[in-house]
Amino acid sequence: QQQVKQSPQSLIVQKGGISIINCAYENTAFDYFPWYQQFPGKGPALLIAIRPDVSEKKEGRFTISFNKSAKQFSLHIMDSQPGDSATYFCAANGNNFNKFYFGSGTKLNVKP
Amino acid sequence: GAGVSQSPSNKVTEKGKDVELRCDPISGHTALYWYRQSLGQGLEFLIYFQGNSAPDKSGLPSDRFSAERTGGSVSTLTIQRTQQEDSAVYLCASSPRRKDNEQFFGPGTRLTVL
Repeated sequence: QQQVKQSPQSLIVQKGGISIINCAYENTAFDYFPWYQQFPGKGPALLIAIRPDVSEKKEGRFTISFNKSAKQFSLHIMDSQPGDSATYFCAANGNNFNKFYFGSGTKLNVKP
Repeated sequence: GAGVSQSPSNKVTEKGKDVELRCDPISGHTALYWYRQSLGQGLEFLIYFQGNSAPDKSGLPSDRFSAERTGGSVSTLTIQRTQQEDSAVYLCASSPRRKDNEQFFGPGTRLTVL
């Protein structure tokens, strides 16, 4: 059973637009939800993370929205820039887990 | 400071050969993870170390795969009798401790099995 489901698989957004990537999780014991950004040829890097005690977290142009009852969380990239073009992964973890469960990734292309 | 380093960055080998991939985590990080990423795919968990012990080996795809960690630092992932389906990028990540801390990823080793 896939613990974290991510959509869409790919996304094309015009410069200045809003990019939205969605994830849904299965296990209510998860309590840490990070987003990672990966450029070609590089390892993923943490972008922003949220815990279930808040419904939203914002860092610059990046915002996580969290819906505990729906078991969903999403990444919003405001004023998307060509430099944001990368693959984005959501993940989930918790105290009772040894590992992070990653979504399948979303390849974002921001057109100039 | 220095991040997670992995070597080699690229490895081309022939089917049936053994390979060793190395990971040097950030100094002081007790948790270490290995992942596999096939072309255009997500991250597949392989194994997790806490110190030198591996509480979770559940992601190792077969008994051809093994990993060890010595001195609570360097880790080696060994693939015996490589197969073409082993071709992928192998990523290592380290974390200050197990609980919900940021994982710092290395640049990966791209393995190609001919």
